[in-house]
Amino acid sequence: AQSVTQLGSHVSVSEGALVLLRCNYSSSVPPYLFWYVQYPNQGLQLLLKYTTGATLVKGINGFEAEFKKSETSFHLTKPSAHMSDAAEYFCAVSDHRSGGGADGLTFGKGTHLIIQP
Amino acid sequence: DGGITQSPKYLFRKEGQNVTLSCEQNLNHDAMYWYRQDPGQGLRLIYYSQIVNDFQKGDIAEGYSVSREKKESFPLTVTSAQKNPTAFYLCASSRGQGKETQYFGPGTRLLVL
Repeated sequence: AQSVTQLGSHVSVSEGALVLLRCNYSSSVPPYLFWYVQYPNQGLQLLLKYTTGATLVKGINGFEAEFKKSETSFHLTKPSAHMSDAAEYFCAVSDHRSGGGADGLTFGKGTHLIIQP
Repeated sequence: DGGITQSPKYLFRKEGQNVTLSCEQNLNHDAMYWYRQDPGQGLRLIYYSQIVNDFQKGDIAEGYSVSREKKESFPLTVTSAQKNPTAFYLCASSRGQGKETQYFGPGTRLLVL
């Protein structure tokens, strides 16, 4: 069974500071990894994803994440926080399955990002 | 514009009542999903469908039912057997599974009267 752990239910940073949101996963096979963002009372929007190839993945709004297999991590970063980045962020994992037919994503519990002016 | 629509935005359920949440997509996606979101719990998979006329239970299917009679539609019924239905319900679709991106609708908030 796969699982996702997001360290810190709330993270607060100052505007202009580095954003670091942590995600660790467990999976019995090489994973596909995703970061989604959710604004209040809305659906989820994909920020970025890792499938294969380059382990540093760039996404929308200046975010990036690095897949580190040895650490089973996929942390999300942004060099300079903006007030508009305040939202809930979810890390999710899917995996290959022999014969295909993977089911839905497994999500972490989310991290609420607070931006201090 | 292509996308996923969910209706209604807010839904109220009385005790013992079944209610149905609508999800429609015009992205020509084969796979569709229903998730439940509770505060501090992340999203949990209720049901998913990889193709028309086929669907599978997710992690928390008890008290819910679905149908997939058309490719673009995947309605979710919250039955009276679901004792704690108050939550935010999100529908998603994707071209396939695994590495394919799931696209989410705006959600339906279900409240119990």
